[in-house]
Amino acid sequence: EAQVTQNPRYLITVTGKKLTVTCSQNMNHEYMSWYRQDPGLGLRQIYYSMNVEVTDKGDVPEGYKVSRKEKRNFPLILESPSPNQTSLYFCASSLRIGVGPTPYEQYFGPGTRLTVT
Amino acid sequence: DAKTTQPPSMDCAEGRAANLPCNHSTISGNEYVYWYRQIHSQGPQYIIHGLKNNETNEMASLIITEDRKSSTLILPHATLRDTAVYYCIVRVNSNSGYALNFGKGTSLLVTP
Repeated sequence: EAQVTQNPRYLITVTGKKLTVTCSQNMNHEYMSWYRQDPGLGLRQIYYSMNVEVTDKGDVPEGYKVSRKEKRNFPLILESPSPNQTSLYFCASSLRIGVGPTPYEQYFGPGTRLTVT
Repeated sequence: DAKTTQPPSMDCAEGRAANLPCNHSTISGNEYVYWYRQIHSQGPQYIIHGLKNNETNEMASLIITEDRKSSTLILPHATLRDTAVYYCIVRVNSNSGYALNFGKGTSLLVTP
């Protein structure tokens, strides 16, 4: 089954304790992305990756890091989490522009609900 | 990307057609109209997209006006499981980050 998986699904942590949220897709997609969703603010892009070893900042990258060492994985790293990073996080993937009929048919993971106290 | 305007909420009786409008009066010629939905805190799900012509797939139909300034997503026989927030997104196909601007969407409530 084609899917994007995220782990963990729920996480409660304390300020300053480094954490990693994993994201994996099994569709051989070049493009992967992280969003956060907050009430009243909608979904905002954090980072994206056009392919292996190619990453770039989205709209709200402060406080986050990413890496893309393999095509299928795109982990989100919070080196020193703070309470304002409490949010619902989604990973997404898609084929790159020019490949396939629907370049913006992004596939989203189930979400990771993070609470930083 | 063009801005979209959607009603904040709508109701629909189960079994009836749900017609969700979207205004995108500043759309440019190379921008596509995409619809996604998000069922209570789950990951958004792609529904359909179009450029100029009306489109239909197994989930929905998309009607785009001739001047492309507005569109309507039609769920022909709404079920309770269609209760979700529906997002209309206008996006040009370019290699500039692929970010989707979801906006606030329309919260559709399907009632028995």
